Amino acid sequence: AQSVTQLDSHVSVSEGTPVLLRCNYSSSYSPSLFWYVQHPNKGLQLLLKYTSAATLVKGINGFEAEFKKSETSFHLTKPSAHMSDAAEYFCVVSEAYNFNKFYFGSGTKLNVKP
Amino acid sequence: SQTIHQWPATLVQPVGSPLSLECTVEGTSNPNLYWYRQAAGRGLQLLFYSVGIGQISSEVPQNLSASRPQDRQFILSSKKLLLSDSGFYLCAWREQGWNTEAFFGQGTRLTVV
Repeated sequence: AQSVTQLDSHVSVSEGTPVLLRCNYSSSYSPSLFWYVQHPNKGLQLLLKYTSAATLVKGINGFEAEFKKSETSFHLTKPSAHMSDAAEYFCVVSEAYNFNKFYFGSGTKLNVKP
Repeated sequence: SQTIHQWPATLVQPVGSPLSLECTVEGTSNPNLYWYRQAAGRGLQLLFYSVGIGQISSEVPQNLSASRPQDRQFILSSKKLLLSDSGFYLCAWREQGWNTEAFFGQGTRLTVV
């Protein structure tokens, strides 16, 4: 069975400081992993995805994530937060053996303080 | 380019009334289609997915059903709404394959009163 856990429901950082949003997955098979962002009253936008190529994945708006199989993690990072990064972020997993399913984590709300 | 349309954007329905939410995709063929419900603090819960016309898989037993009468049309229905059906419903499509991302509609805010 597959599942994805986002360890923090809320994260608060100051503008200009690093961002770390944590995601752990459980999967018996090679997963594909994704990060999505949802701004208030907006739809879901893909930030980046991992599909078994490079373990460090770069996405839009300066975000990146590193796939660590030994830790079953796919944490999202950004070196310097911007006010416009305030949003809700979702980690998503899809497994190779049952790839029709597309499971979301519970989400992390990022607050950026001026 | 591909687009996804979901309507209505908002809906207020009385308890016990029927529901029909529609989602259509343009610019692609034979996509996987999905219905999710988003509740505060619970992320997006996968309700149904479909890999082809007439093929529906249900993830969570509930008061809702889904149908796919055409290749790019996905409908979420209920015969009698419950208060607990209130929420934000999102439709999505993906190309078939394990490493493809999903593209989402703008969602429907359903309030059952």
